[in-house]
Amino acid sequence: DVKVTQSSRYLVKRTGEKVFLECVQDMDHENMFWYRQDPGLGLRLIYFSYDVKMKEKGDIPEGYSVSREKKERFSLILESASTNQTSMYLCASSFFTTGRGPQHFGDGTRLSIL
Amino acid sequence: GENVEQHPSTLSVQEGDSAVIKCTYSDSASNYFPWYKQELGKGPQLIIDIRSNVGEKKDQRIAVTLNKTAKHFSLHITETQPEDSAVYFCAASKRSGGSNYKLTFGKGTLLTVNP
Repeated sequence: DVKVTQSSRYLVKRTGEKVFLECVQDMDHENMFWYRQDPGLGLRLIYFSYDVKMKEKGDIPEGYSVSREKKERFSLILESASTNQTSMYLCASSFFTTGRGPQHFGDGTRLSIL
Repeated sequence: GENVEQHPSTLSVQEGDSAVIKCTYSDSASNYFPWYKQELGKGPQLIIDIRSNVGEKKDQRIAVTLNKTAKHFSLHITETQPEDSAVYFCAASKRSGGSNYKLTFGKGTLLTVNP
């Protein structure tokens, strides 16, 4: 079974802090994704990566950056956290480069910015 | 970009009844349509998917239908059980640029199965 592990289930940070969310997958997948999930808005794509050191903006990249130094690890960075970034963050990975295959999700990090 | 509409936002059924969730998409280039189930405190889990060259797919009590002409697809759950209670998301996949693809999700349906 594919395992996508997010380093923290719950995280509380202060406004202005630099925040790192970590995600690791164990299936040698090429593609990795970061989403945020908010009530009534579903899942929205922040950034994704289709190879080491490669990244592409999703639908809501403002205020975020990412890092992929190793194939199995994909980090989401909040450069200067703000209260409107309080949300559930979900990481996913996928083997299929053609897009015609599933993404596998971690259990999420619930981030609160005070 | 792609836009995926999902209805209804909440659905309550009696155990043993059927449940249907419908989604429409805007971009005819979308070619892959997964459905995810999200239980409380967990990440979304894939339950069934369909590709654009297929009209219907079934897996035990779950089925998905796709109408490419109308640009809509539906999830059907028969003989519902209390453990089917969860949030269900539909999604559509299309090329985002170059050789990269991304999923666009619907806003979700909260399904409650009453014993």
